[in-house]
Amino acid sequence: NAGVTQTPKFRVLKTGQSMTLLCAQDMNHEYMYWYRQDPGMGLRLIHYSVGEGTTAKGEVPDGYNVSRLKKQNFLLGLESAAPSQTSVYFCASRQRYEQYFGPGTRLTVT
Amino acid sequence: AQSVAQPEDQVNVAEGNPLTVKCTYSVSGNPYLFWYVQYPNRGLQFLLKYITGDNLVKGSYGFEAEFNKSQTSFHLKKPSALVSDSALYFCAVRDNTGGFKTIFGAGTRLFVKA
Repeated sequence: NAGVTQTPKFRVLKTGQSMTLLCAQDMNHEYMYWYRQDPGMGLRLIHYSVGEGTTAKGEVPDGYNVSRLKKQNFLLGLESAAPSQTSVYFCASRQRYEQYFGPGTRLTVT
Repeated sequence: AQSVAQPEDQVNVAEGNPLTVKCTYSVSGNPYLFWYVQYPNRGLQFLLKYITGDNLVKGSYGFEAEFNKSQTSFHLKKPSALVSDSALYFCAVRDNTGGFKTIFGAGTRLFVKA
């Protein structure tokens, strides 16, 4: 089992560019999450999904969109990147209690 | 509203000494409580959880945590620290009434000195 994987691992964007971060899990988990991690702020929830075809807003959803067309994949999109979106992005999945995290994507917006 | 507080940004311990990383929480119902560890440039790894039952729960790598309902705390402990325990530790809470969101604390950096 690969667990939770994320692509890409690193990316540098210019302000206004768009990109999609891909999260994939092979554990057949129902719930999937996107977080951003910033120094001193812990993890903040961007969007989440409780099953294939469903998405919901988290704590900091502005500037991001998500899709979950297949159960194993959860995509995070930035339509027009801003410097405030410079962060490390983590995807996670769970079935019942604890979450399983991917290795993260480090995004820099210049 | 749910919240988690980790009052210490950093905890310094000598190798071989016991360690404690503090966590207090606020949740409307009964809590599910978690500890995760993050090593540099890695994702979070699950350490242990409290769901129900015994207040003292044991987890990976010799860590344990004690659930204290009256003090709304869930402190992480280890009897004898290792240099390799140096990492960033996160406490997290989710209410057990069917909530989907887990709230994470800001994290505590543990530094174990040889």
